[in-house]
Amino acid sequence: GDSVTQMEGPVTLSEEAFLTINCTYTATGYPSLFWYVQYPGEGLQLLLKATKADDKGSNKGFEATYRKETTSFHLEKGSVQVSDSAVYFCAQRDNYGQNFVFGPGTRLSVLP
Amino acid sequence: DVKVTQSSRYLVKRTGEKVFLECVQDMDHENMFWYRQDPGLGLRLIYFSYDVKMKEKGDIPEGYSVSREKKERFSLILESASTNQTSMYLCASSSPTGTGNNSPLHFGNGTRLTVT
Repeated sequence: GDSVTQMEGPVTLSEEAFLTINCTYTATGYPSLFWYVQYPGEGLQLLLKATKADDKGSNKGFEATYRKETTSFHLEKGSVQVSDSAVYFCAQRDNYGQNFVFGPGTRLSVLP
Repeated sequence: DVKVTQSSRYLVKRTGEKVFLECVQDMDHENMFWYRQDPGLGLRLIYFSYDVKMKEKGDIPEGYSVSREKKERFSLILESASTNQTSMYLCASSSPTGTGNNSPLHFGNGTRLTVT
């Protein structure tokens, strides 16, 4: 079945460091891909999305490119801030289905 | 902006009680979902609904039921709460895929339920 795999956390970085969180997916169809962020004590918020191959989603300095050839959607940010400390979830939604499949989440801690 | 509102942020109930978790969305979304989130287990789908009075089991429906009497409201019911149902519960909504785009899920802020 469809699945999403993320790099294991936690990830700890210093402020202004470069961030990459890897995400790969398996799907029988042509999914849309999403990154969500969850700050402590809150629900998940949509960070960015991409709906077809080679699309790049971006928001708040974060970027991810839909790579069909490698079935990947890695999240990157050039310079992280302490306020980026959160749990990040990669997710997919099949274009023919109604449900979403989430990765396990990656906890990011950014130290000042 | 889509707003998904869960009625309680924190809830403490006793074993055996019947518990209702309420969720309301204001964007006329057809699809609504209930997840639970536990450390090390990620998000697990309990139930979802594509339309009023329709419901489908997710991955872990045992011990839960749902109600969707109105389009904007989706209730999760714990018939007889048990300690292993202590968790964070997240409600979400979305448009269906047939609308020509891939609408994301919009989440509420969650209800942290403790069963003692």
